[in-house]
Amino acid sequence: KQEVTQIPAALSVPEGENLVLNCSFTDSAIYNLQWFRQDPGKGLTSLLLIQSSQREQTSGRLNASLDKSSGRSTLYIAASQPGDSATYLCAVTNGNQFYFGTGTSLTVIP
Amino acid sequence: EPEVTQTPSHQVTQMGQEVILRCVPISNHLYFYWYRQILGQKVEFLVSFYNNEISEKSEIFDDQFSVERPDGSNFTLKIRSTKLEDSAMYFCASGLTLLGAGELFFGEGSRLTVL
Repeated sequence: KQEVTQIPAALSVPEGENLVLNCSFTDSAIYNLQWFRQDPGKGLTSLLLIQSSQREQTSGRLNASLDKSSGRSTLYIAASQPGDSATYLCAVTNGNQFYFGTGTSLTVIP
Repeated sequence: EPEVTQTPSHQVTQMGQEVILRCVPISNHLYFYWYRQILGQKVEFLVSFYNNEISEKSEIFDDQFSVERPDGSNFTLKIRSTKLEDSAMYFCASGLTLLGAGELFFGEGSRLTVL
């Protein structure tokens, strides 16, 4: 069964810093990987989708990379802002369902 | 921008009662899902639905759960006799294409509290 792990579980950085969130998965036979943001008590907002054939995707200050063979993805956030404070979840799919990590709780300190 | 909407946002119920959670997926989407998240735990897959039938379901989705698309817009999750351990945030999601090919969009969730 696919297991998704996210490190670190929590991260606190001063505003303006660049940061990297990590996601690893045990089964490399995935179709795609999606990064989500979750604010407390709220739903999941899609940030980036990387297809299995792609190496990275960018949206604004966010850049996600995928190394399928090693079972890893990173989410890079440039010039962090207090509004980036949230939990970031990665999820991989085998085509039938998404398997989620437990998330990284990010706090950006003004 | 189109979005997945869910009602109610919060429901409190007594153990043993039936609960129906409602979702309106994005209008041109074809694939529908329910996930749940127990407080402090991972988001877990419950069921996927396509072409008016269940495509896949997890071991969590037992006989107490059912899904329905009663009309062209709503997608519902019914829990027949709620248990304490059903307390969780339930998320509806929809996608235009097969899961492996496209993006999945989630609603804001329905928080279910079973007393």
